Amino acid sequence: ETGVTQTPRHLVMGMTNKKSLKCEQHLGHNAMYWYKQSAKKPLELMFVYNFKEQTENNSVPSRFSPECPNSSHLFLHLHTLQPEDSALYLCASSQGGGWETQYFGPGTRLLVL
Amino acid sequence: QKEVEQDPGPLSVPEGAIVSLNCTYSNSAFQYFMWYRQYSRKGPELLMYTYSSGNKEDGRFTAQVDKSSKYISLFIRDSQPSDSATYLCAMNEAGGTSYGKLTFGQGTILTVHP
Repeated sequence: ETGVTQTPRHLVMGMTNKKSLKCEQHLGHNAMYWYKQSAKKPLELMFVYNFKEQTENNSVPSRFSPECPNSSHLFLHLHTLQPEDSALYLCASSQGGGWETQYFGPGTRLLVL
Repeated sequence: QKEVEQDPGPLSVPEGAIVSLNCTYSNSAFQYFMWYRQYSRKGPELLMYTYSSGNKEDGRFTAQVDKSSKYISLFIRDSQPSDSATYLCAMNEAGGTSYGKLTFGQGTILTVHP
């Protein structure tokens, strides 16, 4: 595997379910990011981790819970989501946490029923 | 007012046309400007980046930044059907509390038809 991978690629869940999204980067980077991409809206930064430490939480509701066990893996735990949370969730990584090029994964398409 | 404004299109052009994609922004602290390309069912990939004002050319692509007008552009010459994608502008301040925080435009959907 190369670059940034995300699983699952598609997810359908009910509002009472609990699920997790997984991201893995194979680039030796130190910073990882979660973004939300909704139709006709700009990408919204959700969380930033730099050297496994969370450095940014962009006022994200607590029903989204990130976890970064090491610099290569990032999770987004989901529980009691709302239909408006349906979107493409993108993971990205960069060498550091600055302006460097961010490399994106293919995303997880989430549908909340 | 949104921090970054980008015309969502869609934009449809014939093969070989010159394409102009634009973004305006309101935050004068933005110093790094990027263009990402996103194909259907894929994540965004970095196409070009520039620092501060000026032009940058890479093959058929030219990025321009005019900080005095808070306006950036991406030009695609001799457009090809393979250029059909969504183009996202993104920008970042240098250092400070926004370290690593890219602000994106809405994205412009481009279709180049043969």
